[in-house]
Amino acid sequence: TQLLEQSPQFLSIQEGENLTVYCNSSSVFSSLQWYRQEPGEGPVLLVTVVTGGEVKKLKRLTFQFGDARKDSSLHITAAQPGDTGLYLCAGAEGGYQKVTFGTGTKLQVIP
Amino acid sequence: DVKVTQSSRYLVKRTGEKVFLECVQDMDHENMFWYRQDPGLGLRLIYFSYDVKMKEKGDIPEGYSVSREKKERFSLILESASTNQTSMYLCASSPASTGDQPQHFGDGTRLSIL
Repeated sequence: TQLLEQSPQFLSIQEGENLTVYCNSSSVFSSLQWYRQEPGEGPVLLVTVVTGGEVKKLKRLTFQFGDARKDSSLHITAAQPGDTGLYLCAGAEGGYQKVTFGTGTKLQVIP
Repeated sequence: DVKVTQSSRYLVKRTGEKVFLECVQDMDHENMFWYRQDPGLGLRLIYFSYDVKMKEKGDIPEGYSVSREKKERFSLILESASTNQTSMYLCASSPASTGDQPQHFGDGTRLSIL
């Protein structure tokens, strides 16, 4: 079983601050997904990155896939209370339908 | 819009009971998954199915079984519930193909075993 470690596990910041969440593994993934989960709901896909070194932007969120496809980061600029939630990365192994989820980062943005 | 529906949001059962968790998707997806979610552990895969009547063990299948008699429905069964199975259970579905397809999740069932 491949392991995906996320850091930090918890993050509490003030509105307007920037933050970065990391997702690391010793294994190579064919693609990596980021999900956000709000209380009482299931995770919802934010983005999929598939190429080593790839950078994708979703408004104030910037996602990067490591060159070696073993790690990824999520950077949020000027965090808003609406960004509060649990962020999960998930790595896919080529040729398989299942993914391995990371340990999660719980973000709280205080107004 | 994509919809994955789990039959119960909250469920309380007793140790030793047989528990059924139901999941239905309306997207004609081939793949369906059952996860449990515990703080600090992320989502751990229990079982998944890539076709009707087909199933594969995930990372933590012990104490669980599954049934997929119809494409749209995937059931998780706790054969004899134990307190360490108290958790949030999430069902998901995705189209056929490899793991880079997005998974669509239900809102979860919070199960308490007393």
